[in-house]
Amino acid sequence: KNQVEQSPQSLIILEGKNCTLQCNYTVSPFSNLRWYKQDTGRGPVSLTIMTFSENTKSNGRYTATLDADTKQSSLHITASQLSDSASYICVVSDRGSTLGRLYFGRGTQLTVWP
Amino acid sequence: EADICQTPRYLVIGTGKKITLECSQTMGHDKMYWYQQDPGMELHLIHYSYGVNSTEKGDLSSESTVSRIRTEHFPLTLESARPSHTSQYLCASSGISVRDRGIYEQYFGPGTRLTVT
Repeated sequence: KNQVEQSPQSLIILEGKNCTLQCNYTVSPFSNLRWYKQDTGRGPVSLTIMTFSENTKSNGRYTATLDADTKQSSLHITASQLSDSASYICVVSDRGSTLGRLYFGRGTQLTVWP
Repeated sequence: EADICQTPRYLVIGTGKKITLECSQTMGHDKMYWYQQDPGMELHLIHYSYGVNSTEKGDLSSESTVSRIRTEHFPLTLESARPSHTSQYLCASSGISVRDRGIYEQYFGPGTRLTVT
């Protein structure tokens, strides 16, 4: 069964600190892995997309890593800000589908305190 | 950033009413999607469309219906709303990513929070 599991389910950190969110997946075949940020009451916004051949990709203070062998990814947030408070969703796309089927994790709810 | 609009943003309605959730995009994307999301849970695909006059059901069974008469417009309709339909409904479209060329990116609207009393 194709699945995407994220940990932790929720996380509280102080402003300025770093944090790392984890994503494990069993989706096969694999096309790419995406990290989205979803603010409360809003739609998800893409942070990074990584293909099979990419190990790391950055977008500002967000750095995603991918280990396609162990089927694990992480999202590292540097120098957190209050605006980073959101749900971070890991999404995996399979290969061979014209729709580009997406498998969604349940997200990690990050809260940044001042 | 893609421009996808959803209206209304919030809707509280009584049981048995017919409702239509609107979704429109200005990117000319052929592929559009409707997702349902409950708090703390993953997004579930309920409908998708490859283009005009193309609609398919997604993974999650839904009593809603969709239509695609124009490329930019993908409305979702519930003929008779029930409390079990209370959820957040997200519309999305996909096209070639500007940031990651060659990869299809999904762009989401802000969502409609539906409450059926």
